[in-house]
Amino acid sequence: DAMVIQNPRYQVTQFGKPVTLSCSQTLNHNVMYWYQQKSSQAPKLLFHYYDKDFNNEADTPDNFQSRRPNTSFCFLDIRSPGLGDAAMYLCATSRVLGAEAFFGQGTRLTVV
Amino acid sequence: GNSVTQMEGPVTLSEEAFLTINCTYTATGYPSLFWYVQYPGEGLQLLLKATKADDKGSNKGFEATYRKETTSFHLEKGSVQVSDSAVYFCALSGNAGGTSYGKLTFGQGTILTVHP
Repeated sequence: DAMVIQNPRYQVTQFGKPVTLSCSQTLNHNVMYWYQQKSSQAPKLLFHYYDKDFNNEADTPDNFQSRRPNTSFCFLDIRSPGLGDAAMYLCATSRVLGAEAFFGQGTRLTVV
Repeated sequence: GNSVTQMEGPVTLSEEAFLTINCTYTATGYPSLFWYVQYPGEGLQLLLKATKADDKGSNKGFEATYRKETTSFHLEKGSVQVSDSAVYFCALSGNAGGTSYGKLTFGQGTILTVHP
C-alpha cells in the first residue's frame, strides 16, 4: 500500500512549457519535501512545507515553485523548464522535522 | 555547510561476500545519520539510522556505527544476497535547533550489484 504517491511516474514536457508534478500522502504527516535528483548525483532538497509554512532552500531557482493546498497534497510547479531541469523529482514526508522520511517512487522529468 | 561523501561505485560482489560501503560526513554539531536504499523502480527507503555518537543502526543484516571521531558511518553486511542489489545512499540531518534540522543531505549513492 503506497503511502506517498507521485504522479505521473514519467513526464515529458517541452522546453519553456509550464509543468506540474504532484505528490499525495496517506500518512497525515506534517512535513512534505521536494528533492531533485539528477543522473548519478545525490538528491538535493528544493524546499519543504511544515504544515502550511513554506521553506525554500537558498539555492533553489525561482523557476521552481510549490503549493500545498491541504495536508495530503503537494505540487511542484516548474514555470519554464529548461534542459537542465531534466531529473528525477522525489517527494517525501515526515511526521515532524527530524523524524523518518518516507519517499514516493519519484517522477522522472524529460524536457524536449 | 553539511556534506556527505560516499565511496566511489559501483560495487559488484558475489553472493555471500562481505560488504562495506564507506561514508564520511562534514557537519556542525551532532547530526543524525542514515542509510537509505533504493531498489530498482522504487522510491528511497530508510534502511537504518543512528542519532548519536557510538550508536549502531541495524536492519536486515546491515549495520553502521556512528563514529564521531572519524566522522564516518560505514555500511556493512556480513553476507550479501542477490536481493540486496540496489543503490545505497548515506545521508545526514542536522541537529535540532539548527537550520538544517530535518533536511536530508545525501551522498551521491553507491550502486551495489550482487551476482549468484
